[in-house]
Amino acid sequence: KQEVTQIPAALSVPEGENLVLNCSFTDSAIYNLQWFRQDPGKGLTSLLLIQSSQREQTSGRLNASLDKSSGRSTLYIAASQPGDSATYLCAVRTGAGSYQLTFGKGTKLSVIP
Amino acid sequence: NAGVMQNPRHLVRRRGQEARLRCSPMKGHSHVYWYRQLPEEGLKFMVYLQKENIIDESGMPKERFSAEFPKEGPSILRIQQVVRGDSAAYFCASSEDRSGNTIYFGEGSWLTVV
Repeated sequence: KQEVTQIPAALSVPEGENLVLNCSFTDSAIYNLQWFRQDPGKGLTSLLLIQSSQREQTSGRLNASLDKSSGRSTLYIAASQPGDSATYLCAVRTGAGSYQLTFGKGTKLSVIP
Repeated sequence: NAGVMQNPRHLVRRRGQEARLRCSPMKGHSHVYWYRQLPEEGLKFMVYLQKENIIDESGMPKERFSAEFPKEGPSILRIQQVVRGDSAAYFCASSEDRSGNTIYFGEGSWLTVV
């Protein structure tokens, strides 16, 4: 059974810092991995999708890496801003025939002005 | 192009009542997924539906919960005889095809059972 763990559970940084969020998964046979952002009382917004054959994806100040063999992914946020404050969720899809996303509990990020 | 629309956004039910949560997928999307987020827990998959078909309901509790996605109208998640443990945020998502690579989530329906 796939399990996804995110560390740390919460993180507070001053504005302008670069930061890294971590995600680990127990079954390395994944189809893809996604990072989402969730604002309080809101739905999820997909940030980056990494296919199992890829090593990283970039979008603006965000960079996500994937090391399938070790069961790890990181989300790097450069030059953090107060508007980046949210909960970041990592989710994996195990197998092309599986429709389910397995989510971690998330990392709650606070960027202090 | 409106996003995934869920209603109601907030719902309060007394124990034993029924809760009905509705989800209208994005225009052109025929694949719908329901997830549940319990307090302090991650999102858990419940069910995957296509129009008029339940494809995967392996995450649905065996009793009291049902889902449908009729030919016309929104997808509905129905919870009968609600209990306090059903209090959670229920998220609907949709995708254009079965790859699910591009998946869009609604803003959720928050159910509180008193």
